[in-house]
This record gives sequence, C-alpha cells and structure tokens, in this order.
Amino acid sequence: DAGITQSPRHKVTETGTPVTLRCHQTENHRYMYWYRQDPGHGLRLIHYSYGVKDTDKGEVSDGYSVSRSKTEDFLLTLESATSSQTSVYFCAISDRTGELFFGEGSRLTVL
Amino acid sequence: GENVEQHPSTLSVQEGDSAVIKCTYSDSASNYFPWYKQELGKRPQLIIDIRSNVGEKKDQRIAVTLNKTAKHFSLHITETQPEDSAVYFCAARNSGYSTLTFGKGTMLLVSP
Repeated sequence: DAGITQSPRHKVTETGTPVTLRCHQTENHRYMYWYRQDPGHGLRLIHYSYGVKDTDKGEVSDGYSVSRSKTEDFLLTLESATSSQTSVYFCAISDRTGELFFGEGSRLTVL
Repeated sequence: GENVEQHPSTLSVQEGDSAVIKCTYSDSASNYFPWYKQELGKRPQLIIDIRSNVGEKKDQRIAVTLNKTAKHFSLHITETQPEDSAVYFCAARNSGYSTLTFGKGTMLLVSP
C-alpha cells in the first residue's frame, strides 16, 4: 500500500465546532485530494492540491477549507461542523499516471 | 464539468456467473477510465484502468471495454467468486484536469 495515513480515524463532535482532518503521505506525490463518501452519492471531491500552497475546489467544497504547507501534509478543515458533514472522508494521492491511492478513511460524526 | 452515470446500483449473481457494470460519461475529452473496488469498511483500490487509445483491456477474470463514440465503458467480471462481493466505482478524467469524477457505485453480491 502507498504510504498514506489519515488522522483521526474516528471523530465525534458537536454542531458548530471546528474540525481538522490530516492526511500525511510519504510518497512525495504532487497531487493530494479530499473526498467524502456518502450512501447513494459515491465519492465526491471536496478539494484538491496540485502542489505546496496550490489548491482548488471540487464539487462539494462549501463549508470546507484546505491547506498544504508542505508536500507531505494536506489538511481539511470544517470551520463550523454541521450534521450534513457527517460522512466518511478519504484522502487520496496520485502521481502523473493518474492512479489514485486512498487512505484508510476518517469517519466523522457531527451531533 | 464531467458527469459519470453508473448502472446498476446493486447486482446480485450466483457464484460462477458473469457480472457486468456499465458507466457513461459526458465529457468527450475524457481519456482515462479506472475502476475501483471497495470492500466493506476498507479503502477503494484500483483494479483495472483503460485509456482512450485502446478499446479493451483484460486482467485474468476482469476486463474493461471502452466505446468512445458512445461515451460508455463497462467492467466485466467472469467466473465470479464470493470474494468479488464489494462496491465497484467507475471514474473518468479529462486530460486537461488532474481530478477524477466517480460514478455512484455498484454493490455486487456474489452468492455461493
């Protein structure tokens, strides 16, 4: 498996609190992504990064922000969590071939 | 942007039967079409992919076909086994972008 880890793996929080999910890679891949997975919706792209400090929005970016200050780390932040953000979040990395390698996922529950 | 439709959403087969999952895409400039398998509670993993310069690709019991004119591609699994039970996702990518657009997934159940 590609060297990609997510933390935390599980988190329960309350509506209105900030949450940060971390993705760490040891592959030195340029591209990093955050997806959310919900029943009936598949995998939807939240934000992605194509280099340090270079990020762009995906199809479901509202309510989320990201930062990438170094190649190996990509952070996803929910400034004020809502119940609709209860989901499983997957980080992924890729090189120029385009193949995505996913992390193990982070299950977030917003009460 | 790209839109990927995937059918069926669920598929039940008997062990040994074949299974076919179909996807259509909207962006004629897309040129990379991977398939991912996700077992229960696990991460999605690439099982096969195809690029627009070929029409078919095989890997043991798995094959993918691509029809660029019709903008659809399919996953074929022969001699299905219980361990093939999982959710399968198709995806498409435009060469001008670095992101994949996924279908909504197909839950395949293979009964012994």
